[in-house]
Parts: sequence; structure tokens; C-alpha cells
Amino acid sequence: NAGVMQNPRHLVRRRGQEARLRCSPMKGHSHVYWYRQLPEEGLKFMVYLQKENIIDESGMPKERFSAEFPKEGPSILRIQQVVRGDSAAYFCASSPPGQGVYGYTFGSGTRLTVV
Amino acid sequence: TQLLEQSPQFLSIQEGENLTVYCNSSSVFSSLQWYRQEPGEGPVLLVTVVTGGEVKKLKRLTFQFGDARKDSSLHITAAQPGDTGLYLCAGPTTGNQFYFGTGTSLTVIP
Repeated sequence: NAGVMQNPRHLVRRRGQEARLRCSPMKGHSHVYWYRQLPEEGLKFMVYLQKENIIDESGMPKERFSAEFPKEGPSILRIQQVVRGDSAAYFCASSPPGQGVYGYTFGSGTRLTVV
Repeated sequence: TQLLEQSPQFLSIQEGENLTVYCNSSSVFSSLQWYRQEPGEGPVLLVTVVTGGEVKKLKRLTFQFGDARKDSSLHITAAQPGDTGLYLCAGPTTGNQFYFGTGTSLTVIP
């Protein structure tokens, strides 16, 4: 019974490259949330998705960042033209429908380093 | 923005000691969650408290939700090295997201 799976665990990108972060939710969970954790800062909400729908992207930077959760396959967080300030740990979480208010199951995260 | 302030920011204690960490806000939350995060891993949900004044126990951990639902505390009895980690509180905001505090980093020294 796998938990939330994120890959890669570590990702190094040069400035200007694209970063793609993947998240497979727990079995039976159809809601996915992406959070970013910067050093010495708390987890910050980025986006909430259901299958084929972006429900809330109020925490997502307007430029260079996008997210999707297709009908088949994992959720993808995409960062175009990365800059040093994008270096952070990116966490995906999932919940069953209607259960997100009780807390999430998080993945182990992807640590993005921009050099 | 609903702000969750956690204190202390850092705590280092000897194995066997007791400790309490706090999560405070000026806003009312419908519920609060506590997570523990170990280095290099994602946060793990420990408990959700929903009712004002509620007390929940998880082995040596005792969680309390304030009567006014603006604050919460986590008390650990007889701390062990395995309790080491970053303790985060989180509360739901309007919509579908959680606001997380910046955490208390706990180190239990054997």
C-alpha cells in the first residue's frame, strides 16, 4: 500500500532550464496539493488539483509555474526557466475526496537545487 | 492571512525530560493539525483537533486545542531521541489549503 510517491527525490537544474516534478497520490486519493518549503520558512501552499481540474492555484507564482493532474498518470509541477530562488523542497500531498480538511498524507518531497 | 506562530523555534533537551511546544494565532480555526517532519522527509500527520478544549493523546504525546480554537499545544512526556524532528502545526484557511506555522525544531539528546 504505497504512500504518496514523488520523484525525483533530488533534482539539480541550471538557471534557465525546466524542472518537472512528479507526484502519484495514494491509492484512492483523487485530490493533490503542492506545497513549497524554503529554508527557514514554513510550508507554503501552491496549488490544489483534482483529476483534470485545477481547483485552487492561488499560491502559484503567475509566471513560469504550472501544474496538471491528468486523467491518467501522475500530477506534474512544472517550473520553466528556473532561477536560484526556485531552490526549495517541493512537497506533494493527497487526500480522499472531501477529507482534506482533516489533514494530508505527504510525499517525501523533491529537493530542487538551481545552480 | 491567518498567522500561526510556533514557539519555541528551537528546543534541545535531554532524553527523559518533558517538554511543551505551542502554536498560537489571533484567528479562530475550525481545526488544527500537528505534523512531525524528519530531515529529508515529508511531514507526517500526528493528529487533528477539532473541538475547542479537546485533548488527544498519542502514546507519550498530548495535544490540546484551546477553548477559543486559536491555539494549541503539544506536550511530550519522557522525550526520546526518536522524537527528534520539526513539529509543525497547520490550520485550514478559506478554500482548500492549509496555513502552516514555521515549526519547532526539537532535538532530544541521548
